Formats: sequence, C-alpha cells, structure tokens
Amino acid sequence: GAVVSQHPSRVICKSGTSVKIECRSLDFQATTMFWYRQFPKKSLMLMATSNEGSKATYEQGVEKDKFLINHASLTLSTLTVTSAHPEDSSFYICSAIEPALGSDTQYFGPGTRLTVL
Amino acid sequence: GNSVTQMEGPVTLSEEAFLTINCTYTATGYPSLFWYVQYPGEGLQLLLKATKADDKGSNKGFEATYRKETTSFHLEKGSVQVSDSAVYFCALGAGLGNEKLTFGTGTRLTIIP
Repeated sequence: GAVVSQHPSRVICKSGTSVKIECRSLDFQATTMFWYRQFPKKSLMLMATSNEGSKATYEQGVEKDKFLINHASLTLSTLTVTSAHPEDSSFYICSAIEPALGSDTQYFGPGTRLTVL
Repeated sequence: GNSVTQMEGPVTLSEEAFLTINCTYTATGYPSLFWYVQYPGEGLQLLLKATKADDKGSNKGFEATYRKETTSFHLEKGSVQVSDSAVYFCALGAGLGNEKLTFGTGTRLTIIP
C-alpha cells in the first residue's frame, strides 16, 4: 500500500534555530502533499498544500516566511521551521495523495514531534 | 466554511461492546466523508470513506453511513476488540477535485479486556 515516511520523528532545538522536516512517499509519486499541525487534544490543522514544482499554497493565518515548504521532487516535500520559538512546538504531520487510488484519499506520515527550548 | 463536529472522548468500553462515535458536519456542495484511525505511535490511516449520500463505508467491522438529511457520518462497530484502541478522526473533503480535508477533534477510544 501507499507508505509515507517522515524524518526525523522527534527533534529538540534551541530557540532561534531552524529545523527541517522531510516527508517522503516511499512507493508512489505524489504530485500533492499536505502539511498539518496537531495540537495536544486538538484536531489536525492544515498548514499548506505542497505541489511538486510550484510554490506551496498556505492556509489563512500560516506565515509562509516562517514555515518554508519545498516540494522539489515527486517523492519529497520538506517543511523548514525558521527561527523556531517555543510556541512552534507541536506535532507536524504530512500527507500525500496517491493519484492511482483517487485524489480524495490522503496517506499520512507518522508525524514529527518538534520541541523548541 | 466547512466544519466537522465529533464526539469528544475519551471513550472507554469493554471488549465486545457496541461502539458509536458521533460525527456531524457542515459543508456546501457535495463533500466526501472519511474516518481515519491513529494507533499509538503511528500515523493516521484511512479506515473508511463515503463519497455520496446514502453510501456506506465499511472496513475491519466498522461502518459509517453518509446521511445527508442529518448531515452525519457516525462510526459504528458491533463488537469492539482491545486492538481497536486508538484515536478516531472524522474528516470531510470538499470534493470536486479539492483534496483538502477538514478534521474533527478526534475521539480517543480505549477498550478494556
């Protein structure tokens, strides 16, 4: 089946540093990937839609200069949290669409826990 | 805009009990509806889906029927197992080629032997 991986699974960084999170589709090509943020005991909040070869589309209220998204290939999208601060600590999840199985089904990565000290 | 309201947990049941997790939605147009499950330490997995009114999605003994008249997509299972312990998310897709999903808050389910 469609498998999506994320790396790293956990990261701890100091305030002011930047952190890069990778999202890979392992056995399919994903023209579209999504980045979500999950707060404790809350739902997933869509941050942005990432399309291969073009600029990401950000949801309202998400700072594009803070959360840099690059979808450089059909199997890799990256999210860089720039100048991270403690309020950026969260669980970040990516998903990808497997075109052959229809555009309405997303396959999710296991998530990355970011802790900013 | 679109929204999903999901039964808040946590829910604790004994093994073999009947499960219902309520989900209602607000949407324009003709959305698709989904249930995703997140097992401990894993990513979200699609459990079942329905793409139009009166469709029933089913998988692993779970069922949900797309009810347009009540704008609901309640998840049910007749006899739960310990292995069903997880967090369950109801989600709505806008349809018409728009792949964005709107999620409910999730319901943590714990099944005790």
